[in-house]
Amino acid sequence: QVQLVESGGGVVQPGRSLRLSCVTSGFTFGSYGMHWVRQAPGKGLEWVAVIWHDGSKKYYADSVKGRFTMSRDNSKNTLYLQINSLRAEDTALYFCARGGIQFWDMDSWGQGTLVTVSS
Amino acid sequence: QSVLTQPPSVSGAPGQRVTISCTGSSSSIGASYDVNWYQQLPGTAPKLLIYGNNNRPSGVPDRFSGSKSGTSASLAISGLQAEDEADYYCQSYDSSLSGSIFGGGTKLTVL
Repeated sequence: QVQLVESGGGVVQPGRSLRLSCVTSGFTFGSYGMHWVRQAPGKGLEWVAVIWHDGSKKYYADSVKGRFTMSRDNSKNTLYLQINSLRAEDTALYFCARGGIQFWDMDSWGQGTLVTVSS
Repeated sequence: QSVLTQPPSVSGAPGQRVTISCTGSSSSIGASYDVNWYQQLPGTAPKLLIYGNNNRPSGVPDRFSGSKSGTSASLAISGLQAEDEADYYCQSYDSSLSGSIFGGGTKLTVL
């Protein structure tokens, strides 16, 4: 079955960096676009970024553009999110999700990894 | 502030039918971009409920249905059950942002 497992979250000071990973299994990773979505504590979902199946295109939400970099290693079935210059407002549960039939829909989700930005 | 607008909450008694609206703009839903819906049970990851405006993934009961018209979309849940109590989010693409957008979410309470 399709599985997505995020890791790399933790408590980080403002201004520092963090790299999140999403290890996948149960499907042909290199055939799917992938998304990152975050959810601040008690708040709604916020789309963060998307990457094409081959990594050729990436798009980011305005709120993270220039600070976040999404990448993937299809040989390792793994998705990454490099987060730089962390801010308090980046505190959230970060989910990776597989792009679905429509590409912009997300048909499978991981359980998330929590990033807390605090001094 | 979300660019897709949903009511913060809706409620209904078991067996009833409820609808959740999602209002976008001329650069999102109104530009013919598809609307997707997600269900998030407390403490869990979101689950795709409806994709491409009105399609159900395998395993989603036919009590859930979606529709779209103009710059708005709706999720209908019929035969309400206690297990349907969750947060529901609409999602689409916005060409002015070159990215995906979510609604602010609607909390469904089963009375």
